[in-house]
Amino acid sequence: AQKITQTQPGMFVQEKEAVTLDCTYDTSDQSYGLFWYKQPSSGEMIFLIYQGSYDEQNATEGRYSLNFQKARKSTNLVISASQLGDSAMYFCAMREGSGGYQKVTFGTGTKLQVIP
Amino acid sequence: AAGVIQSPRHLIKEKRETATLKCYPIPRHDTVYWYQQGPGQDPQFLISFYEKMQSDKGSIPDRFSAQQFSDYHSELNMSSLELGDSALYFCASSYTGQGRSPLHFGNGTRLTVT
Repeated sequence: AQKITQTQPGMFVQEKEAVTLDCTYDTSDQSYGLFWYKQPSSGEMIFLIYQGSYDEQNATEGRYSLNFQKARKSTNLVISASQLGDSAMYFCAMREGSGGYQKVTFGTGTKLQVIP
Repeated sequence: AAGVIQSPRHLIKEKRETATLKCYPIPRHDTVYWYQQGPGQDPQFLISFYEKMQSDKGSIPDRFSAQQFSDYHSELNMSSLELGDSALYFCASSYTGQGRSPLHFGNGTRLTVT
């Protein structure tokens, strides 16, 4: 079974609009972490935002926020006021395990294109 | 702030040759990960090290090996290269002592096998 599922291979959004990128995960661990990364066409992997499994509040970092629904095992990324520079691949990732034995798995990504 | 440094940025090799990729993690980070990302693919986990000991192994071919040295830098050695090994290879580091620490990625090494 897929650990991380991103069902939207591609998304379009109008500049200045908000967009939601979906991510569901599968784990039997009680303690885990969820991350979102942005990968522009230049190739680097840029960390955006983190949500811990025990966090009671949804994470927020500037224009990025997470809609974390633990019971549904989903952590959707919301980008508000989209900018042309937001056009990129977005990967959801999950860290399981503890101490030095942590495993990080990535989803297949969503390609976001912002339309002027 | 210091970031993860990978070298070289680009590497072109022929089939059956060998390649060595280097990674210098962020100082005080105790875990290093290697990922392979093919064109249009998500990053695939290869191998990880915690405090210089191999901690986990993913879909790493037997032709590949990796190690972490006493100064915490890591090297991925790839032998008998195949065309399918052409990919972007990322190294990432994190500090496990802080549960919220994300993986910090280097800029990657783009390997082309001809």
